[in-house]
Amino acid sequence: NAGVTQTPKFQVLKTGQSMTLQCAQDMNHNSMYWYRQDPGMGLRLIYYSASEGTTDKGEVPNGYNVSRLNKREFSLRLESAAPSQTSVYFCASISGQATGELFFGEGSRLTVL
Amino acid sequence: AQRVTQPEKLLSVFKGAPVELKCNYSYSGSPELFWYVQYSRQRLQLLLRHISRESIKGFTADLNKGETSFHLKKPFAQEEDSAMYYCALKGYSSASKIIFGSGTRLSIRP
Repeated sequence: NAGVTQTPKFQVLKTGQSMTLQCAQDMNHNSMYWYRQDPGMGLRLIYYSASEGTTDKGEVPNGYNVSRLNKREFSLRLESAAPSQTSVYFCASISGQATGELFFGEGSRLTVL
Repeated sequence: AQRVTQPEKLLSVFKGAPVELKCNYSYSGSPELFWYVQYSRQRLQLLLRHISRESIKGFTADLNKGETSFHLKKPFAQEEDSAMYYCALKGYSSASKIIFGSGTRLSIRP
């Protein structure tokens, strides 16, 4: 049982390049989330998907797009990467229960030069 | 608007001393409050949730709706408690977003 799997784990981009972070969960969870973690800023919500077919903006959505491909997968795309998007990105999922626990992936460290 | 505030970036205490990590929130409604922990080289994981009223690894947290706080406490700190701690808030709906505070790094000195 892998839980939440993110790829890639590390990526270096040049300013203006695009890339997609992939996330998949095998726990049959309804809701999925993308966060970024920066020193002193904690975890900030980028986008979330309450259920398959829906996505909503979080606290810091600018510069990102997401796709909830199916119930298992939730991808995060940077269309034109900027140095301010250098961060560690975490995907997480939660069951449909109101008091459910978030399960996190290992994180993806992205550096934009 | 949802907001979670953790005023301390770093908290350093001696082993055996009491620990209190502060968390204040802003939310119009009945929130779900959680504490998550990130140990070195490990995934973020749930430590405890207010609705369970449980004690995990000696930690407890009480939701104070009057003061809109959810402080994390432990009477006697241990070296293995050194980690990054995040307070999190979720609206009382399965479709709600979950937001986190800026985190507090707890360092336990021997």
